[in-house]
Amino acid sequence: DGGITQSPKYLFRKEGQNVTLSCEQNLNHDAMYWYRQDPGQGLRLIYYSQIVNDFQKGDIAEGYSVSREKKESFPLTVTSAQKNPTAFYLCASSMTRGETQYFGPGTRLLVL
Amino acid sequence: AQSVAQPEDQVNVAEGNPLTVKCTYSVSGNPYLFWYVQYPNRGLQFLLKYITGDNLVKGSYGFEAEFNKSQTSFHLKKPSALVSDSALYFCAVRSTGANNLFFGTGTRLTVIP
Repeated sequence: DGGITQSPKYLFRKEGQNVTLSCEQNLNHDAMYWYRQDPGQGLRLIYYSQIVNDFQKGDIAEGYSVSREKKESFPLTVTSAQKNPTAFYLCASSMTRGETQYFGPGTRLLVL
Repeated sequence: AQSVAQPEDQVNVAEGNPLTVKCTYSVSGNPYLFWYVQYPNRGLQFLLKYITGDNLVKGSYGFEAEFNKSQTSFHLKKPSALVSDSALYFCAVRSTGANNLFFGTGTRLTVIP
């Protein structure tokens, strides 16, 4: 899992609650990504960021938000608008956009 | 448009036998191809990639993959499987003009002792 950390490992969300997943990297990578993994569906891109203070929507951005205030950090907020948030969330980073991506250990989000 | 197909959800192989995990792709332009492995409740680990050059790419843990342009395939191989190779394997692709990876749905490899 290299120099990418994600916390918490497990997260429980109540109805109507926003929750934030942390992703930090010490690889000095410019680009960072958030993916959602569901059984049998592979990985789907939620958001990505090429540089500080810039981010773009991926394929399934609805119900999620991100920020990139620091190069090392790319937190993901799962909002109450995301009606089916139960999944395994993976953060990744790469030297630049398009280069090999390296992944964190993941956060499993469960709904109470 | 980019797409990746991993036609087998599950592959079983006996320990010590060669293994193959299949991947075919569709991209416009030249492909950049990747293989990742995922152990239970863990993130993805990078195994190998093809960018250009030799069609046979060698990666981590004794794995290799062969790029076949005419068949648009990038199958993952290992000459002798270990029980510890049992995991979920993902193929990913991006085209020369794109920046994001597109992942296949994964193949679960089980190596039987």
